[in-house]
Amino acid sequence: AQSVTQPDIHITVSEGASLELRCNYSYGATPYLFWYVQSPGQGLQLLLKYFSGDTLVQGIKGFEAEFKRSQSSFNLRKPSVHWSDAAEYFCAVGDDNYGQNFVFGPGTRLSVLP
Amino acid sequence: KAGVTQTPRYLIKTRGQQVTLSCSPISGHRSVSWYQQTPGQGLQFLFEYFSETQRNKGNFPGRFSGRQFSNSRSEMNVSTLELGDSALYLCASSIKREGNEQFFGPGTRLTVL
Repeated sequence: AQSVTQPDIHITVSEGASLELRCNYSYGATPYLFWYVQSPGQGLQLLLKYFSGDTLVQGIKGFEAEFKRSQSSFNLRKPSVHWSDAAEYFCAVGDDNYGQNFVFGPGTRLSVLP
Repeated sequence: KAGVTQTPRYLIKTRGQQVTLSCSPISGHRSVSWYQQTPGQGLQFLFEYFSETQRNKGNFPGRFSGRQFSNSRSEMNVSTLELGDSALYLCASSIKREGNEQFFGPGTRLTVL
């Protein structure tokens, strides 16, 4: 079965600092990978996705993620964090066999210091 | 293009009651999935509908059910509510099924007293 881990429950960074959120997945084949962001009381917004091809994917709001098959990882990065990036970030995995049964990681809460 | 809409946004019910939540997907999207989000369990998949048929179901009791209409709108129903059903229920739609990105609605916050 698929599984997703996000080792960091809560991360605090200063505004302007770089950010890396970790995501590891367990799956036998190449999965479809996603990063979503959720602001308090809101639904999830897609930041970026990886299906195939270039392992470095660009997303919205200046985010990027790199797929590393050897490490089963799909870490999210941003070179300079803005106060508005404070939110909860979820990594998710899906595949052809499971249709739209996405498996989500537990989430990482990001706090941004002024 | 309008996003995924969910109604109502907030609900308060008491134990033993039943509730129906509604989801209108993005126009042209035929797949609708439902998720339950709680602080303890995180985001958990409930079920997915495609072309009015339930295609996939998560590990939830039979009290949780759903359906999809010919216009792709979907409803989920929870009967005999329990305190533990208090959660944010999220609906997501996508154009097709396999591995496609899902677009989420704002959710319905259900509180069971």
